[in-house]
Amino acid sequence: AQTVTQSQPEMSVQEAETVTLSCTYDTSESDYYLFWYKQPPSRQMILVIRQEAYKQQNATENRFSVNFQKAAKSFSLKISDSQLGDAAMYFCAYRSSNQFYFGTGTSLTVIP
Amino acid sequence: NAGVTQTPKFRILKIGQSMTLQCTQDMNHNYMYWYRQDPGMGLKLIYYSVGAGITDKGEVPNGYNVSRSTTEDFPLRLELAAPSQTSVYFCASSYSIGRETQYFGPGTRLLVL
Repeated sequence: AQTVTQSQPEMSVQEAETVTLSCTYDTSESDYYLFWYKQPPSRQMILVIRQEAYKQQNATENRFSVNFQKAAKSFSLKISDSQLGDAAMYFCAYRSSNQFYFGTGTSLTVIP
Repeated sequence: NAGVTQTPKFRILKIGQSMTLQCTQDMNHNYMYWYRQDPGMGLKLIYYSVGAGITDKGEVPNGYNVSRSTTEDFPLRLELAAPSQTSVYFCASSYSIGRETQYFGPGTRLLVL
């Protein structure tokens, strides 16, 4: 069965600094997609970034980038120049075929 | 553009009662999903649909039923509510199954007592 593990329940970062959130996954599939979602206190899920497993190049979206290590089944999220608005729960997610699996989340605090 | 809407926002059910959680999207998306999120946990897929008339089970389908008679609507039915179904329920939709973005509704908080 596919599983997604986020080993950091909580993280904190100083405003304007860089933080990395970890995610590992377990799968026997070769074709899949990986995502990071942000969930602010409003509980709405917001897509931050996505990565196709067949692409070797790491995805980037403005201040957000990933370090995708396919062999190690690792998919970490780097947030650069952290802002107060980045404070939220962050979920790593895996998709293969039509099934989605989410990690348990990392709560990110941004310290002014 | 409303996106994905869910009703109700909050509901208290007694054990054994039934209810339907409504989900509607106005983006003409083919794919729709129902998730539950338990406290301190990630989302778990309950059911999904790839188009009108087509539904399939996700990771945790027991105790739930769905239907998809139109592209816009994807209701989730709880037939005999149990305390284990206390959770926050999210509906989501996406246009395709490729590099898609899932658009989430605001969630329905359900408490079964």
